Amino acid sequence: NAGVTQTPKFRVLKTGQSMTLLCAQDMNHEYMYWYRQDPGMGLRLIHYSVGEGTTAKGEVPDGYNVSRLKKQNFLLGLESAAPSQTSVYFCASSYGAGTFGEQFFGPGTRLTVL
Amino acid sequence: GENVEQHPSTLSVQEGDSAVIKCTYSDSASNYFPWYKQELGKRPQLIIDIRSNVGEKKDQRIAVTLNKTAKHFSLHITETQPEDSAVYFCAASRTNAGKSTFGDGTTLTVKP
Repeated sequence: NAGVTQTPKFRVLKTGQSMTLLCAQDMNHEYMYWYRQDPGMGLRLIHYSVGEGTTAKGEVPDGYNVSRLKKQNFLLGLESAAPSQTSVYFCASSYGAGTFGEQFFGPGTRLTVL
Repeated sequence: GENVEQHPSTLSVQEGDSAVIKCTYSDSASNYFPWYKQELGKRPQLIIDIRSNVGEKKDQRIAVTLNKTAKHFSLHITETQPEDSAVYFCAASRTNAGKSTFGDGTTLTVKP
């Protein structure tokens, strides 16, 4: 099993450009999450999903959109990138309702916005 | 919503000493408390967790204690080694909530 994978691993954008980050998991998890981690900071939840076709806002959703069209994939979109969105982005997944919430993280995507 | 506070933000110990990291939470309905370790440049990974029906759990050199009345839980690492150097995050959640709330992390440095 590959676990949780993220594409791409690194990306450099110019201000105003758009991009999509892809997260995939092969553990049949119901829940999926997108976090951002700034240098020396903790994990801040951007958006999350409790099942295929559902999404919900986290603590820092502004400037991001997400979609969960398939259970195994969770996409994070930046419509018009800003330097403040320079960060490391982690995707995570966990089992679903009725279970305790250990989260399995992907390797991260390092995004730089110039 | 849930609020998790983690202390200290940085901790430096000599190899072989013990390290303790503490977290407090606000939602009395929270019932699951995991600890994650993040080595430099790597992803966070679960190292130990505890559920609200248990007061203490051990796994070799690491242990977690939970005080539901005071709403705090702690990570204890004994006989620290240089490879224990990392950022440690606590988290709290309740079953079916859909998400966890993380503390801000503790940077542990173990000096040889």
